[in-house]
Parts: sequence; structure tokens; C-alpha cells
Amino acid sequence: AQSVTQPDIHITVSEGASLELRCNYSYGATPYLFWYVQSPGQGLQLLLKYFSGDTLVQGIKGFEAEFKRSQSSFNLRKPSVHWSDAAEYFCALHASGGSYIPTFGRGTSLIVHP
Amino acid sequence: NAGVTQTPKFQVLKTGQSMTLQCAQDMNHNSMYWYRQDPGMGLRLIYYSASEGTTDKGEVPNGYNVSRLNKREFSLRLESAAPSQTSVYFCASSEGGGYTEAFFGQGTRLTVV
Repeated sequence: AQSVTQPDIHITVSEGASLELRCNYSYGATPYLFWYVQSPGQGLQLLLKYFSGDTLVQGIKGFEAEFKRSQSSFNLRKPSVHWSDAAEYFCALHASGGSYIPTFGRGTSLIVHP
Repeated sequence: NAGVTQTPKFQVLKTGQSMTLQCAQDMNHNSMYWYRQDPGMGLRLIYYSASEGTTDKGEVPNGYNVSRLNKREFSLRLESAAPSQTSVYFCASSEGGGYTEAFFGQGTRLTVV
């Protein structure tokens, strides 16, 4: 069975600082990987996704993520964080066979200090 | 461009009461999902429907039932609510291919007292 681990429950950064949110997955084949963002009181919105090709993918709002097969990781990065980036971030995996049901990590809460 | 619409947005139930959460999508998606979100637990799958006419259990189906009424609508029913079902419930839909993202509703915040 597939699983997604987000080791950090909370991350605190200062506005303007760089950001990296960690995501590790467990799956026997090549997964489809996603990052979603959830603003308070809202549903989840897609930031970016990876399913093949270039292992560095660009998303909305200046975010990028890098797929590293050898480390089973798909970390999310942003070079300069804005106060509006404060939100909950979820990494998700779709298995590449079967019903493609999204499996989510537990989420990382990003706090941005002015 | 409604996307995924959930009703109601908020609900308070007494223990033992029943209710149905409604979900509709206007994107002609094949797959629909119900998740619950609890602090520190992420999103856990309750039930899903890979296509019209089919439903399957997810990770935490106990105490819930679902109906895929047609391609647009996927409802979640609590027959006898319990305090452990206090949560935020999200409906989502997708085209169903592995590379297609899920689109989420705004959520229903349910409190069972």
C-alpha cells in the first residue's frame, strides 16, 4: 500500500526567507505526485504535480518541487516567502495503477513572520 | 464555474441524529471522493466512487454510507451521528486518471454534541 509522510507538522519562516517543505513517499512503482495548499476555511487547491519527464516542476505562486526517485522524495520549495503563503500544505500521491485514489500526507502548517 | 459544491457549510447535530451531506460537481468528472480532515491527521478517505454506479470503502468508512446518485452528485450519509464524527468533511472530484488532480469543495464543518 502507498503512503505519504510529511515529517514537519509546523514550519516557521520569516517573510522573504526561502522555504522547503519535505515529502517522502512509499510506493513500489513510479507515483504521480502532487502538492496542494489549503488556506484557512477553504478547500485544497493544486500547486503543482509531477508524473513524468523533468524532475523539477514549476507550479503556481512561485513554488517548485523536485522529484528524487533515489530518496523517494518530492520536496516543495520557494525562494522567497510572502506573508500570504501562510497556509496548510499537503503532499499527495496517486498510485499509477488501479483507481488512482489520492493519498495525502498529514500536512505541514506554514507560519510566516513579518 | 462552480466546480465542486458542498452543502451545508456548517452543521451541528445531536448524538444519534442523522444527516446527509450533499456534493455536486459540474466538470463531468468520473471519480468522486469523500474525505474527513481532523487536526494532525491530514485527509482520510471515507468512501470513493470511481465511476457512476460504483462506490467503494476508503480508510475510515465505519458509520457512513454514500450514494452516487448520478455522474454529478455524490452524497454522504451519517445514519446515527457520534461525537467521533465531529470533523471537517471534504468532497472532491477528478477525471480519474493518475495524473489528474483532485478538485475540492469548500468543506462542511460538522459538530456532533
